[in-house]
Amino acid sequence: TQLLEQSPQFLSIQEGENLTVYCNSSSVFSSLQWYRQEPGEGPVLLVTVVTGGEVKKLKRLTFQFGDARKDSSLHITAAQPGDTGLYLCAGGSGGSNYKLTFGKGTLLTVNP
Amino acid sequence: GAGVSQTPSNKVTEKGKYVELRCDPISGHTALYWYRQSLGQGPEFLIYFQGTGAADDSGLPNDRFFAVRPEGSVSTLKIQRTERGDSAVYLCASSSMGHDTEAFFGQGTRLTVV
Repeated sequence: TQLLEQSPQFLSIQEGENLTVYCNSSSVFSSLQWYRQEPGEGPVLLVTVVTGGEVKKLKRLTFQFGDARKDSSLHITAAQPGDTGLYLCAGGSGGSNYKLTFGKGTLLTVNP
Repeated sequence: GAGVSQTPSNKVTEKGKYVELRCDPISGHTALYWYRQSLGQGPEFLIYFQGTGAADDSGLPNDRFFAVRPEGSVSTLKIQRTERGDSAVYLCASSSMGHDTEAFFGQGTRLTVV
C-alpha cells in the first residue's frame, strides 16, 4: 500500500511569514499533485510535477519533486490570509493519474 | 453550469437505509471519478468511469457500494444498507479526456448516517 505522509499536520502563522510543507513516501510515484481545499469545497489543483528534481513556481508558491520521486515540498513566500486552506499532496502511479493516493493534508491558517 | 455539480450537498440518513448521490460532470468530460473523504483524512479513490463503463472500481469498499453512468454523463453512487462508518464527504471529479488530464472536483456531498 502506498502512503503519503504530510507534515506538519497543522500550521498557524502570521501574514508575511514564509513556510514549507512536506509530503513524503517510501514509494515512487510517476507524478505528484498539490491541491488546495477550502471548507465545504472540493480540492483545486495547484500543480502537477512529473520529473525527479523538478521545480515549479506559481506566483509565491514553489513546488519541488524529489530526485527519487518519493517526496515533494511546497514553499510559500510572504503568506497572505487568502492562502489559508487545506493543502493536499496526491501521488499518481502506474502511468495514470486517476487513482490518486492522497496525504491527510496540512491545514494552514494565515493570520492578518 | 461551468463546474462539477453534486447533489444533494448534505444528506442525513438512518442506519440501514439506501441512498443515492448524484454527480453532474463538466459538459463533454469523458472521465469521471468518485472519491470519499473522511474527517481529517485526504480523499480516497472509489471508482473511475471512462464513458459509460467503470474502468476501475477497485476502490469500492464492499458490495454495498455501486455506481453507474448509463449515458456517459451523469453518474450516481448508490449505497445500500448504510452504516455509520459510511459517513463522509463523497467527492466527484471529471476530466476532459483520459485519466492524464486535469480533474476538476465538485463540492462534495456530506453524508451522515445516524
